[in-house]
This record gives sequence, C-alpha cells and structure tokens, in this order.
Amino acid sequence: AQSVTQLDSQVPVFEEAPVELRCNYSSSVSVYLFWYVQYPNQGLQLLLKYLSGSTLVESINGFEAEFNKSQTSFHLRKPSVHISDTAEYFCAARMNTGFQKLVFGTGTRLLVSP
Amino acid sequence: EAQVTQNPRYLITVTGKKLTVTCSQNMNHEYMSWYRQDPGLGLRQIYYSMNVEVTDKGDVPEGYKVSRKEKRNFPLILESPSPNQTSLYFCASSPLPTGAGGYTFGSGTRLTVV
Repeated sequence: AQSVTQLDSQVPVFEEAPVELRCNYSSSVSVYLFWYVQYPNQGLQLLLKYLSGSTLVESINGFEAEFNKSQTSFHLRKPSVHISDTAEYFCAARMNTGFQKLVFGTGTRLLVSP
Repeated sequence: EAQVTQNPRYLITVTGKKLTVTCSQNMNHEYMSWYRQDPGLGLRQIYYSMNVEVTDKGDVPEGYKVSRKEKRNFPLILESPSPNQTSLYFCASSPLPTGAGGYTFGSGTRLTVV
C-alpha cells in the first residue's frame, strides 16, 4: 500500500525568505505525485504535478518541486515567499497503473510573516 | 466554468438529526469521492463512486451513506449525526480512466454537530 508523509505540520517563515516543504512517499510501484494548496476557507487547488519526464516541475506562482526517485521524495520549494503564500499544502500520490485513488499526506501549514 | 459545487458551505445541526450534503460536478467526470479533513489527520476518504450506481467504502465510512443515481450528483448522507462527525468535508471528482490527472475539489462544507 502506498503512503505519503509530510513530516512538518507547520513551517513559519519570514516574507522573502526561501522555504522547503518536505514530502516523502512509499509505494511498490511507480506513482504520480501532486501538491495541492488550500488557502484559508477555501477548497484544495492543484499547485503542480509530476507525471513523467523532467524531474523538476514548476507552478505559475513560483513554486517548484523535484521528484527524487532514489530518496522517494517530492519536496516543494520557493526561493522567496510572499504573505499571500500563507496556506496549507498537501502532498498526494497516486499509483500510475490503471485508476487508483489519491493518497494524501497530513498537510503542512505555511505561515509567512512580515 | 468547470467546477464541483457543494452545499451548504456551513451547517450546524443537532445530534441525531438526519442531514444531506449535496455535491454536483459539471465536467462529466465518472469518479467522485467524499473526504473529511481534520487537524493533524489530513484528508481521509469516506466513500467514492466509479460511476452511476457504483459506490464503495473509503477509509472512514462509518456513519455515512452515499448514492449515485446521476453522473453529476453524489450526495453525502448522515442518517444520525454525532459530534465526532464535526469536520470539514470535501467532494472531489476526476475523469476515468486516468491516473495522470488530479482531482477537482469543491469549496468544502464545514459541519458542526452539537
């Protein structure tokens, strides 16, 4: 069975500082990987995803994530955060054989302060 | 606009009073699912449906029912709500067959059972 681990429940950071949100997965087969963002009082929105090809994927708002097969990780990074990036971030995985459900991590709350 | 619509957004009810949370999607997706989100636990799947009249239990189905009589609708029914069902609920949908896509989420329903 697959699982997703987000070790940091909360990450406080100052505005314009870099940030890394960690995600590790466990699966016996290849997976697709996703990062979702949940802004306060809103639903989850897809931030970026890794399906195949280049191991570095980027979002439109400056986030990037790198798939590392040997370390089974998919960490999310941003070189300079904004106050508006304050949100909860969920990592998710889905086996790439047929249709399989998304398995979510427990989430990381990013708190950006001035 | 492609979307998943949940109603109501907020609901306060009393123990034992039956309630239904509606979910509708306009993307002709085959797969629909309900999740609950609780602090420290992330998103846990309640029920899912692969198509009309095809439903199955997720990880935490106790105390919930669902039905899928039409492709676009997937209501969540609490026959006798209890305080431990106080939570934030999300409906999600996805096309089939694919493992490459993520889910589209509704905006959430915050339920309080007193």
